[in-house]
Amino acid sequence: DQQVKQNSPSLSVQEGRISILNCDYTNSMFDYFLWYKKYPAEGPTFLISISSIKDKNEDGRFTVFLNKSAKHLSLHIVPSQPGDSAVYFCAATKTGTASKLTFGTGTRLQVTL
Amino acid sequence: DGGITQSPKYLFRKEGQNVTLSCEQNLNHDAMYWYRQDPGQGLRLIYYSQIVNDFQKGDIAEGYSVSREKKESFPLTVTSAQKNPTAFYLCASSIGMADTQYFGPGTRLTVL
Repeated sequence: DQQVKQNSPSLSVQEGRISILNCDYTNSMFDYFLWYKKYPAEGPTFLISISSIKDKNEDGRFTVFLNKSAKHLSLHIVPSQPGDSAVYFCAATKTGTASKLTFGTGTRLQVTL
Repeated sequence: DGGITQSPKYLFRKEGQNVTLSCEQNLNHDAMYWYRQDPGQGLRLIYYSQIVNDFQKGDIAEGYSVSREKKESFPLTVTSAQKNPTAFYLCASSIGMADTQYFGPGTRLTVL
């Protein structure tokens, strides 16, 4: 049972435009969500997170939106840069418990010139 | 300079041999994890440890073993029982179980 889903395996965006990566979850107990970025042959690096008490969190070019009623979150990258080309994983957990992170299957973003 | 180290970066072994992958962290994190990534797939959890001398099976533990004798170290042994051991292995750690995980650079294991 895939509790965290990233239904788009890949996305191609022109440099300078907005990239929108989507993630859906099914477990209503999740209250903390994270995005990771991964380059080939490297470990994922933490990008940005959001708690369920918020619906938006912003860090520079990266903004994460959370829609709890739809059990949906999205990562916006504006403007997209070639260096953003990577695989992006979303992850979710229930804080204050011994729950581990549950990861989605990832979306490969390609930013073209 | 805190972080997670995994060694070696690339590892080759003959089929039927056990191999141990190293993971060390100096972040003073209690929880540590091992994941496997195959081409075009997400991260699959092999084993995790909440605290020293304790570890639990993840989603795909068959053919793997771990130990957690020190807080800083969480080695993973890929045994000959693992049917498809060739993969990219990632180690991670976090302050606690439901906290942000930080990953090492990974080890690519190729079994010939």
